[in-house]
Formats: sequence, structure tokens, C-alpha cells
Amino acid sequence: AQTVTQSQPEMSVQEAETVTLSCTYDTSESNYYLFWYKQPPSRQMILVIRQEAYKQQNATENRFSVNFQKAAKSFSLKISDSQLGDTAMYFCAFMKEYGNKLVFGAGTILRVKS
Amino acid sequence: GAVVSQHPSWVICKSGTSVKIECRSLDFQATTMFWYRQFPKQSLMLMATSNEGSKATYEQGVEKDKFLINHASLTLSTLTVTSAHPEDSSFYICSARAFSSGRWVYEQYFGPGTRLTVT
Repeated sequence: AQTVTQSQPEMSVQEAETVTLSCTYDTSESNYYLFWYKQPPSRQMILVIRQEAYKQQNATENRFSVNFQKAAKSFSLKISDSQLGDTAMYFCAFMKEYGNKLVFGAGTILRVKS
Repeated sequence: GAVVSQHPSWVICKSGTSVKIECRSLDFQATTMFWYRQFPKQSLMLMATSNEGSKATYEQGVEKDKFLINHASLTLSTLTVTSAHPEDSSFYICSARAFSSGRWVYEQYFGPGTRLTVT
């Protein structure tokens, strides 16, 4: 079974600074998908970024980028130029290539301070 | 595109009554829908997976008779919490996946969630 571990329960960052959220996972699959979801206080789950395991290039979406290390089974999220609106709970998630289910980590609460 | 709605957004019911939560995909056909439960400051816990026109598959430990799931059409799935008790109070989230142009769209699209309070 796949597991996803987020070792940072809570983090804080000053506005405009950069922060990195950690995620490691365990799987025997060779092809899979990894995701970072954001859940702001409204509790609406929002997809931040996705990565296909077969792609070596790290995914980037504006201020959000990932550091995907397949051999180390690590998938960290970097948020640059942090904004107050980035305050949320962030979940790392895994899905097998032909799977159906998302396996979520425990989440990291990120607070952006002004 | 890819919008999922849930109704109601917040419901309060009395202990012993049943409550139905609807999940709709507004602009795509959802062949598979998922129901999650989430407690404050915790992760999402998958309760069940439903495919249109077939019985739902429940995760281990989830009571099928308590949480009835019906995926009657390609755009609607419902979760009915039967004989609700205060311990069923939680935040329930649905998500949907699509099958488009002959292939799976691997992304899940999430609804805004429903807060259930049982008094």
C-alpha cells in the first residue's frame, strides 16, 4: 500500500518570502501521479500543482514549484513570494497510474504573516 | 470548467434522523465519484468510491448501511447519512473524475464540502 508523509504539521512564513513544504511517499509503482492540494479556510480543495512520475522536469505553476526526487521518493512544494492568500492547509497526494484513489498526507498548516 | 457542487453546504439535523447530501458535476460527466470525511485540522478520509450505475465500494471500517451512496447518473451522486448521531458530525467532501475522449482524466475535482451537525 502507498503511504504519504508530511512531516511538518505547521509552518509560518513572512509575506514575500519563500517557503518549502516537505512530502515523502512510499510506493513500489514505477509510474504514478503526485499532487499538491491547498485547502484555505473556506475548506474548498484546490489543486495547486501536479507531477507525472515519468516526467523528469519539475512542475511549475507561477509562484509554485516542486522538487521531485523520484529515487528518494520526495516531492516538496516551494512557494515563492508568499502572499496572505496562501494561508491554508496543504496536502500532498499520490495516485497510481491506472488507479482511482488519492492517498493523502496528513497535511501542513501554512500561515503567511504580514 | 470542471466544477463540482454540493448541496447543502451546511445542515443541522436531530439525532436519529437521516440527511441526504448531493454532489453534482456541473460541466462534465463524472463516471466516478468519491466521498470523503474530514475532521478539523485533519486529512481527508476516503469513505467510498461510486461508479455510475453500480454499487459503491466502501473503505474498510465504513458502515455501508449507515452511509448510503447512490450514483444514479453521470452528474449526480448522493450520500445519505441514516439515523444520524452526534458522532457523525463532520465535514463531508465529494470529488469527481471524468472519462473523456476515450481516456481517464486522472485529476479529481472537489466539491466545496458539506458541514453536518447532528444535535
